[in-house]
Amino acid sequence: DTGVSQDPRHKITKRGQNVTFRCDPISEHNRLYWYRQTLGQGPEFLTYFQNEAQLEKSRLLSDRFSAERPKGSFSTLEIQRTEQGDSAMYLCASSFVPRGTDTQYFGPGTRLTVL
Amino acid sequence: DQQVKQNSPSLSVQEGRISILNCDYTNSMFDYFLWYKKYPAEGPTFLISISSIKDKNEDGRFTVFLNKSAKHLSLHIVPSQPGDSAVYFCAASVGGGAQKLVFGQGTRLTINP
Repeated sequence: DTGVSQDPRHKITKRGQNVTFRCDPISEHNRLYWYRQTLGQGPEFLTYFQNEAQLEKSRLLSDRFSAERPKGSFSTLEIQRTEQGDSAMYLCASSFVPRGTDTQYFGPGTRLTVL
Repeated sequence: DQQVKQNSPSLSVQEGRISILNCDYTNSMFDYFLWYKKYPAEGPTFLISISSIKDKNEDGRFTVFLNKSAKHLSLHIVPSQPGDSAVYFCAASVGGGAQKLVFGQGTRLTINP
C-alpha cells in the first residue's frame, strides 16, 4: 500500500492557460474523490468516481473543470482557461466501498498558483 | 451555508495535558463523522471516525464524542504530545464515509513543551 499519489506537487501557470493534474489512488480502491482547499478553509468537495463512473459533481465544478477516470484507476483533473481564483490546493482521496461506511485517504495535494 | 463549523481557529495546550477540539454541524442527515490532521504541505491524515449510532469511539490517545441532540462532536487527545501540533479538521458525511465529505474550517492546535 503506497498511498494516494498526486502529480505534480506544485504548478505555477499564467492566467488563461490550461492545466492538468493526475491522481493515483491506493490500489484496489474503487472510489476516487477530488477536493479543493483554499487558505484558511477546509477542503471542499468537487467530484467523485466509482470505478470509471463520475457519480457526483459539485456546483463548484464550473464548465472549465473536467475530471476523468478512464480505466477506473488513475484520474485526471483539467482546468481550462485558468483564473486567479483557481489558485488553491487540489486534493485527491480514495476509498474502498463494498457497502456502508468507509474512510477516505488523501494524497499530498497539488498546489496551483495562477499568476 | 456552513454545515460544519469549527468555531475555534486555534488552540494552545501544554504538553501532557488534554486537548479538546470541538465541531458543530447543522445537517441532521449527517450519519458519519471523521477527524483529520493536516501538516503544512501535506494532505489530511485520517485520525478517527464515528458513526451516528454511537456516541463515543476510542483509538489510543484519541477519543471522539458525538452528541446528536446538540449536533456537536469533540475530539479529545490525552496526553497531548508535541507531534500533535497541526491543523485538525472535522468532516461529516451523509450515507456513510463513502459519500462526499463536508469539512469544517479547521483548528490549529499547538502543543507547548
